[in-house]
Amino acid sequence: DIQMTQSPSTLSASVGDRVTITCRASQSISSWLAWYQLKPGKAPKLLIYKASSLESGVPSRFSGSGSGTEFTLTITSLQPDDFATYYCQQYNSYSLTFGGGTKVEIK
Amino acid sequence: QVQLVESGGGVVQPGRSLRLSCAASGFTFSGYGMHWVRQTPGKGLEWVAVIWYDGSNKYYAASVKGRFTISRDNSDNTLYLQMNSLRAEDTAVYYCARDRSTSNDFFDCWGQGTLVTVSS
Repeated sequence: DIQMTQSPSTLSASVGDRVTITCRASQSISSWLAWYQLKPGKAPKLLIYKASSLESGVPSRFSGSGSGTEFTLTITSLQPDDFATYYCQQYNSYSLTFGGGTKVEIK
Repeated sequence: QVQLVESGGGVVQPGRSLRLSCAASGFTFSGYGMHWVRQTPGKGLEWVAVIWYDGSNKYYAASVKGRFTISRDNSDNTLYLQMNSLRAEDTAVYYCARDRSTSNDFFDCWGQGTLVTVSS
């Protein structure tokens, strides 16, 4: 299976900060990467697919970049609603795998 | 309005079985691949299984292969997960998720999840 490694595992930030989360794949996955936002008690939400395509309805302060083995999710000007846990997921192979998650906490 | 509603979770003893259901509405169910994804306490998200739009292909995570079976009823817009020989490490919130495609890519819509606890 393709291993996905996210960093950091926890991130403390303030409203208005620029936040960057990194996801690394154990082998090249081209641009077959998605990002999700999870909040307790709510259905997970798709943010980004194909590494940099913004899902419809997702605020433009979210962006994704990268290809091959290294990817980033950036949130410009962090908002109160953005404090959550974020996961990357590769879909280069039939066995889909997620990163370990990054919890964005209030500083 | 796309909606996925899971049911069937609960407390079950190790070695026993449980069947989860996911009722889909608001879209053409037979046109999409469907998945089960679980979130274990402290371990994050783990993909469990996928079934293609027409049921022609099914794939499983190594951790559940041979114990879990994914199926679907396109006439009833329902996805299932039959879980046998349950283990403590299967304890998780199980989500039903729709694939963006007819097969297996990424998940564009998720349910709220159903909690499965495996404990004696």
